[in-house]
Amino acid sequence: TQLLEQSPQFLSIQEGENLTVYCNSSSVFSSLQWYRQEPGEGPVLLVTVVTGGEVKKLKRLTFQFGDARKDSSLHITAAQPGDTGLYLCAGGGNSGGYQKVTFGTGTKLQVIP
Amino acid sequence: DAGVTQSPTHLIKTRGQHVTLRCSPISGHKSVSWYQQVLGQGPQFIFQYYEKEERGRGNFPDRFSARQFPNYSSELNVNALLLGDSALYLCASSSLRTGGFGYTFGSGTRLTVV
Repeated sequence: TQLLEQSPQFLSIQEGENLTVYCNSSSVFSSLQWYRQEPGEGPVLLVTVVTGGEVKKLKRLTFQFGDARKDSSLHITAAQPGDTGLYLCAGGGNSGGYQKVTFGTGTKLQVIP
Repeated sequence: DAGVTQSPTHLIKTRGQHVTLRCSPISGHKSVSWYQQVLGQGPQFIFQYYEKEERGRGNFPDRFSARQFPNYSSELNVNALLLGDSALYLCASSSLRTGGFGYTFGSGTRLTVV
């Protein structure tokens, strides 16, 4: 069974601070996705990384895929209240030739104005 | 284009009852996956369907079943409901058999079992 552990589980910070969320596994994934989910809604895809060591930036968000494709990080610069939500990493892989996506345990972020 | 649509949005059922949840994927998407999400946790994989056939099953009891129709919409059925089945049930569609580019999720069905 592939498991993805996220840390921290909860994070409450002041507006303007920086933060990093980690996603770790003992398994290798062919791709790694990050989602943000707001209460009462489904997760919304932020980014997909597929190459070990890959770094992608989305405005104030920086995503990195580990060299061994077992871990990833999400760094937010100058957090804003609109960044509040549940952040989920998800590892993608093939199972019998079909898509298999495993979600992490989640990081709940609260940005206080 | 319409996104992934799920119905109903909210549902309250009694223990022992049966429930059917529905999902319409994005037009052109042939793969539909179902997830169960308990409050504050990550979604847990239940089923994946591609081209109307089951392609993956998570660690859920046989009380959970699903099917995909010729128009690629899907139903998730849960029999003999337990209190522990209370959760947000998410449907996700993707265009690629092997994915790797992420899902598009619906807003989910909030099921409460009392």
